Amino acid sequence: IAGITQAPTSQILAAGRRMTLRCTQDMRHNAMYWYRQDLGLGLRLIHYSNTAGTTGKGEVPDGYSVSRANTDDFPLTLASAVPSQTSVYFCASSDRSQGLEKLFFGSGTQLSVL
Amino acid sequence: ELKVEQNPLFLSMQEGKNYTIYCNYSTTSDRLYWYRQDPGKSLESLFVLLSNGAVKQEGRLMASLDTKARLSTLHITAAVHDLSATYFCAITPGTYKYIFGTGTRLKVLA
Repeated sequence: IAGITQAPTSQILAAGRRMTLRCTQDMRHNAMYWYRQDLGLGLRLIHYSNTAGTTGKGEVPDGYSVSRANTDDFPLTLASAVPSQTSVYFCASSDRSQGLEKLFFGSGTQLSVL
Repeated sequence: ELKVEQNPLFLSMQEGKNYTIYCNYSTTSDRLYWYRQDPGKSLESLFVLLSNGAVKQEGRLMASLDTKARLSTLHITAAVHDLSATYFCAITPGTYKYIFGTGTRLKVLA
């Protein structure tokens, strides 16, 4: 089934550790995004990429980095995790060529930083 | 400041009743989206509203958009338990940037 795959599903991480959240899509969408979801704050955009080789900062980029080496993969890295990065992380993609540009979401990664 | 505000944040309603969720936003946007999220699940697209006056309906849900007032509504008709979820609106104030509201958690009581 076509869609977005995120890994891991959940992770407990010690503060100060490095962590990469993986995201892969097989829909050949040109744009990809990382959001974090926190209770009472909705979804906030961390980073985005409009095409392979380019990335941009969202609303809350500090402490996170991304890369887009190809169309399908968009990993999110926490270089040195802090407890405030405890959240649910969603990867998403969209196809601008379709005009509607609605987002397709992965199933999420629950991250706890202790 | 860019804001997308939803009202109410929490809504508990009886089956069979009607209600409206409001989404106000502070800047211009090409379009407005509504998403649904079931507990512990991902988000699914419900509606995409592309222009002023746009109205979309599916089942017991109807969404509308007033770009002049920067307001979208999601109307629920004769609610059923299966509609219990969190509903998000989102705008696109700039290329590749989708900004979400805080969400409205809806609980439909039998």
